[in-house]
Amino acid sequence: DTGVSQDPRHKITKRGQNVTFRCDPISEHNRLYWYRQTLGQGPEFLTYFQNEAQLEKSRLLSDRFSAERPKGSFSTLEIQRTEQGDSAMYLCASSSYRTLNETQYFGPGTRLLVL
Amino acid sequence: GNSVTQMEGPVTLSEEAFLTINCTYTATGYPSLFWYVQYPGEGLQLLLKATKADDKGSNKGFEATYRKETTSFHLEKGSVQVSDSAVYFCALRPLGGYNKLIFGAGTRLAVHP
Repeated sequence: DTGVSQDPRHKITKRGQNVTFRCDPISEHNRLYWYRQTLGQGPEFLTYFQNEAQLEKSRLLSDRFSAERPKGSFSTLEIQRTEQGDSAMYLCASSSYRTLNETQYFGPGTRLLVL
Repeated sequence: GNSVTQMEGPVTLSEEAFLTINCTYTATGYPSLFWYVQYPGEGLQLLLKATKADDKGSNKGFEATYRKETTSFHLEKGSVQVSDSAVYFCALRPLGGYNKLIFGAGTRLAVHP
């Protein structure tokens, strides 16, 4: 069990560019979550996958954001036409439905800075 | 709606002092409650949890009791160490739904020797 990994750890981009982040959950975890954390705030839920199906999306997830989880393994989060307000830490978490009162395990996050 | 309110930080303590970080919540029914900790430069880690009223979660000397009557889940530790310096997040998982977590804003703790 190597934990949840995210790549890249840091990303600096110019306004208007597209960026893509990757999350590799703990193996055999069928549930995957994306959160966004801005400075001085707690994480805010963005979206949830069960296996490959995206079952819930927050209103925070505008149409510039898209997330996928092909084959129910790793997930990607893409932001198109980035804006300065997208600057934040993007966190991925995974959990297993097999565990009673399941715990979400978080990755180290990808810190995005939009100039 | 569902929400979590934490006491504002930073909380600054001397080593071996008693710690309390207040957390109250608003939710329908009986959510599960969590404390996560974020050490400098690291990701969020689960510290402790409680899934029903009057449950006490504990780990690494930290404790929190699920109080339905006061909708609270205050974090306590009898004697803090410098290594406890971190940001602490209270969170709830609403009953039903898809297990998403709703976090408070976090409370920064700084412990000095």
